[in-house]
Amino acid sequence: EVQLVESGGGLVQPGGSLRLSCAASGFSFSTYAMAWVRQTPGKGLEWISGISYDGGTIVYADSVRGRFTLSRDNSQKMLHLQMNSLRAEDTAVYYCAKKLGSSWYPEFDYWGQGILVTVSS
Amino acid sequence: QTVVTQEPSFSVSPGGTVTLTCGLSSGSVSSSYYPSWYQQTPGQAPRALIYRTNSRFSGVPDRFSGSILGNKAALTITGAQADDECDYYCVLYMSSGISLFGGGTKLTVL
Repeated sequence: EVQLVESGGGLVQPGGSLRLSCAASGFSFSTYAMAWVRQTPGKGLEWISGISYDGGTIVYADSVRGRFTLSRDNSQKMLHLQMNSLRAEDTAVYYCAKKLGSSWYPEFDYWGQGILVTVSS
Repeated sequence: QTVVTQEPSFSVSPGGTVTLTCGLSSGSVSSSYYPSWYQQTPGQAPRALIYRTNSRFSGVPDRFSGSILGNKAALTITGAQADDECDYYCVLYMSSGISLFGGGTKLTVL
């Protein structure tokens, strides 16, 4: 059974940092591209970053580029999102999502349960 | 700035058929945008329905189908059921690895 479990969320002050992690199991992690998608409270979904199966290519949405860093550890089956210079508008539930394959297309077949990040003083 | 557009809300009668659409603020949606669709109930993670315009993810009933209608991607639900009442999101591939979600459609079954 595919499982994606996010951790590392919580309350952080504006300008602060947080590191989200996603533990993957039930599939060959190193074969699939992965992504993070967030959802602001009561609002829609926003794709924020994707990473290739080998970590060699990483892409960011304009809203987080330069502040967030995505990485993966295939040996540990972990995905990490380092979030710096956090702003109030980064407050959201963050979802880790598995891609259907190794492509960059928006084909997210499995999602984690989501983790809340709140940026507030 | 490109925006992916969806109907904010839609309603369908139980047993009826509804088509939700996914467009672009400028230009037309084609299969080259690899449209996919997700269903989300409040408090839950999204569930994958359709990818690459008209392919169903594993386990998705054939009541859900995808297509291109005119200049938009479309999700059609036939035989609507009470538990189809939730939010539906489309997402398009915009190039260079970037994807863009629509604002979502809140579907009511009544």
